[in-house]
Amino acid sequence: EPEVTQTPSHQVTQMGQEVILRCVPISNHLYFYWYRQILGQKVEFLVSFYNNEISEKSEIFDDQFSVERPDGSNFTLKIRSTKLEDSAMYFCASRGQGVIGYTFGSGTRLTVV
Amino acid sequence: QKEVEQNSGPLSVPEGAIASLNCTYSDRGSQSFFWYRQYSGKSPELIMFIYSNGDKEDGRFTAQLNKASQYVSLLIRDSQPSDSATYLCAVNNQGGKLIFGQGTELSVKP
Repeated sequence: EPEVTQTPSHQVTQMGQEVILRCVPISNHLYFYWYRQILGQKVEFLVSFYNNEISEKSEIFDDQFSVERPDGSNFTLKIRSTKLEDSAMYFCASRGQGVIGYTFGSGTRLTVV
Repeated sequence: QKEVEQNSGPLSVPEGAIASLNCTYSDRGSQSFFWYRQYSGKSPELIMFIYSNGDKEDGRFTAQLNKASQYVSLLIRDSQPSDSATYLCAVNNQGGKLIFGQGTELSVKP
């Protein structure tokens, strides 16, 4: 069964450093998403991406965040200057055209120290 | 603020019993409703979705939707210890993003 692949599975970074989280969505999917889940809290929407542009973003997704689809397969989330409160599980998800539900990747645990 | 509310639990049921999980949502414009299962430290896994009033069955799982009451539920029949997880209710508007509840922790005791 096709999978959404995320790397790395765990990243530790110092406060103020830039991090890039990587995702390879399912190959024929057209809609891409990033969510995050702070330990013990809800899964929260960050951003959706379609047709090479952001289609919607949340209040969390401020100027410190950016997304990119640098080639036909990868979808990345960049945090420019990490803060302690950015520590969370970050999930990438993708969805096909006309499909209601979407598939989540296994996640990247980001720890900011 | 569009909200999705769930009892956090834990909900404990004996093996073989029916587990009933409930969810309410605030946005009347919500169109699709999802149940995800999340094991500790893992990503959400889609169990079912529903978008019409009434019941939808898939194996041991039944989703129920009542748009007038803004209420979604998930019934798990013949609960197994492997069903022990956190169950996330999520709601989708036309834009495609999902709004999640905080999840209900289910524990199925052998």
